[in-house]
Amino acid sequence: EVQLVESGGDLVQPGGSLRLSCAASGFNFGNFAMSWVRQAPGKGLQWVSGIGVTGAGTYYADSVKGRFTISRDNSKNTLYLQMNNLRAEDTALYYCAKKYGSGLHYFDYWGQGTLVTVSS
Amino acid sequence: EIVLTQSPGTLSLSPGERATLSCRASQSVSSSDLAWYQQKPGQAPRLLIYGASTRATGIPDRFSGSGSGTDFALTISRLEPEDFAVYYCQQYGTSPLYTFGQGTKLEIK
Repeated sequence: EVQLVESGGDLVQPGGSLRLSCAASGFNFGNFAMSWVRQAPGKGLQWVSGIGVTGAGTYYADSVKGRFTISRDNSKNTLYLQMNNLRAEDTALYYCAKKYGSGLHYFDYWGQGTLVTVSS
Repeated sequence: EIVLTQSPGTLSLSPGERATLSCRASQSVSSSDLAWYQQKPGQAPRLLIYGASTRATGIPDRFSGSGSGTDFALTISRLEPEDFAVYYCQQYGTSPLYTFGQGTKLEIK
């Protein structure tokens, strides 16, 4: 059974940093691209960042470029999101999502999310 | 950036009725790169349809997707109580890599 379990969300002050983790199991993690997608309270879905299977290719939404860094450790089946210089507008539930497969640009599995709150 | 606009914002229907949700793109989108998700309160999104019209694994056949170019639709043929949720369309592009529509809330009338 595929499982994605996020952790690391917390209350942080503006300008602060957090590192989110997503522990994957039930599939060959190193064979699939992964992404982070966030959802602000009561709002819709926003793609934040994505990473290729080896970690060499990384992609970001303009709103987080230069502040967030996505990475992965295939030996630990874990996806990360380092979030620096956090802003109030980064407050959201952060989901990690597994890409369906090579050439198939959808997310077939999602975690339950970890909540990031940026507030003083 | 391609913008996806979903309509209506809220759709009020009764169980047993037919629901049609629209997703319009600001530029032409490849059908192979258009997906639909369902999200229930307190839950993560669930992939329903990919490639504009292919049902994901385990999705009942009352769900169907259609469309091409800039106009896509999700149809639920006969609404079941568990179908009342928020639905999002999503497309794959270049910058940003993925965009979602703002969602359509399907509520019980």
